[in-house]
Amino acid sequence: KNEVEQSPQNLTAQEGEFITINCSYSVGISALHWLQQHPGGGIVSLFMLSSGKKKHGRLIATINIQEKHSSLHITASHPRDSAVYICAAAYSGAGSYQLTFGKGTKLSVIP
Amino acid sequence: DTAVSQTPKYLVTQMGNDKSIKCEQNLGHDTMYWYKQDSKKFLKIMFSYNNKELIINETVPNRFSPKSPDKAHLNLHINSLELGDSAVYFCASSRRAGEGEQYFGPGTRLTVT
Repeated sequence: KNEVEQSPQNLTAQEGEFITINCSYSVGISALHWLQQHPGGGIVSLFMLSSGKKKHGRLIATINIQEKHSSLHITASHPRDSAVYICAAAYSGAGSYQLTFGKGTKLSVIP
Repeated sequence: DTAVSQTPKYLVTQMGNDKSIKCEQNLGHDTMYWYKQDSKKFLKIMFSYNNKELIINETVPNRFSPKSPDKAHLNLHINSLELGDSAVYFCASSRRAGEGEQYFGPGTRLTVT
């Protein structure tokens, strides 16, 4: 059974700061997802990655398969980035699909 | 156009009742999912389903059953509702199981009294 740990649980930053959220998992995976849950409850997929690095605007996600670790970075943070960020480790194989979620990191960006 | 839609948005019902939540996606995806988010905001996958295969999380009680009339719809039926079923239920879809990003519906807040 995969266990997914996120840190920190809560994070408060000043506008403009560089933010890093970490995610580690215990067993091999086929992909790792980063999700954003807005204060209103809606969930948006930010990234799905299985190796290396992906960038979208001010968001960057990296994964190190050997170390079973992924990070989500936000550059030049803005109050609208305030949300809960969730990582999820996915394993899919013949007839099997598992997705294990971390408990989320609540980010508050203060103007 | 909404990519993944769910109805109803809110559902309040009494213990013991049977209820359904509907989900539709217009993305042409092969795989759909149901997730439960509990009061502590922790997400858990309940089912993943494509037109060939249902994969069930073993912790889901058999009172919960997904029903798919076609590839674009995956409804969630819940029998004999219990207080502990109160949660937000999210539907999602992806190109194929485990492939591509998932697109989430807006969620259905179920309250069992």
